[in-house]
Amino acid sequence: EVQLVESGGGLVKPGGSLRLSCATSGFTFSSFGMIWVRQAPGKGLEWVSSISSSGSYIYYADSVKGRFTISRDSAKNSLSLQMNSLRADDSATYYCARIVDGLDSWGQGTLVTVSS
Amino acid sequence: SSELTQPPSVSVSPGQTARITCSGDALANQYGYWYQQKPGQAPVLVIYRYSERPSGIPERFSGSSSGTTVTLTISGVQAEDEADYFCQSADSPGTYRDVVFGGGTKLTVL
Repeated sequence: EVQLVESGGGLVKPGGSLRLSCATSGFTFSSFGMIWVRQAPGKGLEWVSSISSSGSYIYYADSVKGRFTISRDSAKNSLSLQMNSLRADDSATYYCARIVDGLDSWGQGTLVTVSS
Repeated sequence: SSELTQPPSVSVSPGQTARITCSGDALANQYGYWYQQKPGQAPVLVIYRYSERPSGIPERFSGSSSGTTVTLTISGVQAEDEADYFCQSADSPGTYRDVVFGGGTKLTVL
């Protein structure tokens, strides 16, 4: 069974940093692209960042470019998102998902709150 | 980046057919996908590549495409189908260089 479990969310002050992790199991992690998607409370889905199966291709939404860094560790079957210079509008539930011609598997999300 | 436009809400009675549209220039040459999200849960892929249905998704869910509009159709709507539905486009099935989501449509089953 494919499983994705996010962790690392929490309360952080504006300008602070946070590192999210996504632990995966049940599939060959190194064969799939991965993605981070966020959802502010009561709002829609917003793409954050994508990374190819090899890690060679990385893409970011304009809203996070230069502040967030996506990475993957195939030895640990893990995806990460380093978030720096956090702002109030970064507050959201962050989901990791597997890319298979659509996002076919999602984690349950981790909540990030940016507030003083 | 491009935008995808969905109606904020759609209401239908049980057993009727619900149609949710998603429009955007990107859909003219990019695949369209649909997700269902129930309160407090992660999204679930219900349609990929405009009209394909993942395993485990009921046959009452179908998708279609015409020009710059994709449509999710739910035939014989059931109470359990009440949820938010989001469309999504991607520049290519495996690259996801530029991903766009629609604003979401709340489906209410009367």
